[in-house]
Amino acid sequence: SSELTQDPAVSVALGQTVRITCQGDSLRSYYASWYQQKPGQAPVLVIYGKNTRPSGIPDRFSGSNSGNTASLIITGAQAEDEADYYCNSRDSSGNHHYVFGTGTKVTVL
Amino acid sequence: QVQLQESGPGLVKPSQTLSLTCTVSGGSISSGDYYWSWIRQHPGKGLEWIGYIYYSGSTYYNPSLKSRVTISVDTSKNQFSLKLSSVTAADTAVYYCARLVDTIPRAYYMDVWGKGTTVTVSS
Repeated sequence: SSELTQDPAVSVALGQTVRITCQGDSLRSYYASWYQQKPGQAPVLVIYGKNTRPSGIPDRFSGSNSGNTASLIITGAQAEDEADYYCNSRDSSGNHHYVFGTGTKVTVL
Repeated sequence: QVQLQESGPGLVKPSQTLSLTCTVSGGSISSGDYYWSWIRQHPGKGLEWIGYIYYSGSTYYNPSLKSRVTISVDTSKNQFSLKLSSVTAADTAVYYCARLVDTIPRAYYMDVWGKGTTVTVSS
């Protein structure tokens, strides 16, 4: 089955921009979806499809895709953006399975 | 606004079967645009997809869990359920149910999640 690889941790200064990447073969066939998870809480969908934000997600969150890499970009990071972020996509083997990325801890300095 | 709520025992003995139910409120589980999913998270670890079910009963499971997992749906109660057999301490985790959206080609996503329920496997 497919794997999705993320950097374990990144840090960003308050108000600056951070890019979180997700790499995997399945991303050549399917878009990634991105989830934010704060301690003790359920994940929240922040980006899906080509670059779509669900209602209520700030426009500082955006997504991009190139080849086998999907990126979540936070432009003007806020203190409340400190969280774990996971990508997810369907497995490209055609078996309707799904896989989550390894997760990235974002620290806002 | 659709909401999901997990329920079930918080403590399961080793070798027994873990059983959880997810109740869907604010919408119909029989809507053809959605699949109903289970995900778990081991303590301090990442998310793991367990499997999902369509309202018709079609199921797809994580290959690593397939031999022990059964997901079922009860449309009359607007619920779907997870059974995981022969549990060990390694199955201790927070279990989430979520709605998987399948309406845009190549773009699938889980837009509604339950709050999660902690299941501990211990004697």
